[in-house]
Amino acid sequence: GENVEQHPSTLSVQEGDSAVIKCTYSDSASNYFPWYKQELGKRPQLIIDIRSNVGEKKDQRIAVTLNKTAKHFSLHITETQPEDSAVYFCAASSFGNEKLTFGTGTRLTIIP
Amino acid sequence: EAGVAQSPRYKIIEKRQSVAFWCNPISGHATLYWYQQILGQGPKLLIQFQNNGVVDDSQLPKDRFSAERLKGVDSTLKIQPAKLEDSAVYLCATQTSGRQFFGPGTRLTVL
Repeated sequence: GENVEQHPSTLSVQEGDSAVIKCTYSDSASNYFPWYKQELGKRPQLIIDIRSNVGEKKDQRIAVTLNKTAKHFSLHITETQPEDSAVYFCAASSFGNEKLTFGTGTRLTIIP
Repeated sequence: EAGVAQSPRYKIIEKRQSVAFWCNPISGHATLYWYQQILGQGPKLLIQFQNNGVVDDSQLPKDRFSAERLKGVDSTLKIQPAKLEDSAVYLCATQTSGRQFFGPGTRLTVL
């Protein structure tokens, strides 16, 4: 089955700086890669996703890049703000098998 | 996203007791998932429904966990008997256009 590894487990950045979280996956059939943000005691919220037919996707301060050859994808947050503090999870699934396999999470702390 | 409802939000039971969770998905979403999220970990899929049929229950501990989705709408997840290691948040999610959206979850504490 699919295995998703996520790094780092914790990340602290100064407000206004950029944050990068990286994930690798094992199943070459995986073709859908969402990122979820989870604040303390809240539900995971989908913030951005990418499919394997594109290499990069951007939504305001958030971007995701995908390298299918290397089987890794990354979340980039620019101009970080205090409200970006949360746990971020990457996930992967393959077409026809929509089961999401999640990474272990990254606790992002924005330092004012 | 805002339409996935779950109840109860919190539940405390003693080990060996039984418990049930309820999920009401977003209207019209045929695919429904139950996940278990242990503190400090990512969600882990327990079971996936397509309408009222089970698509994947390979990670459901069937000796104690059961789930159903009668009429292809609401779903219930039951644990009987509960163990200490079942303490977790149980998340329900539904899917549309390939994207999964989560409910608020039920936080279960087993004492």
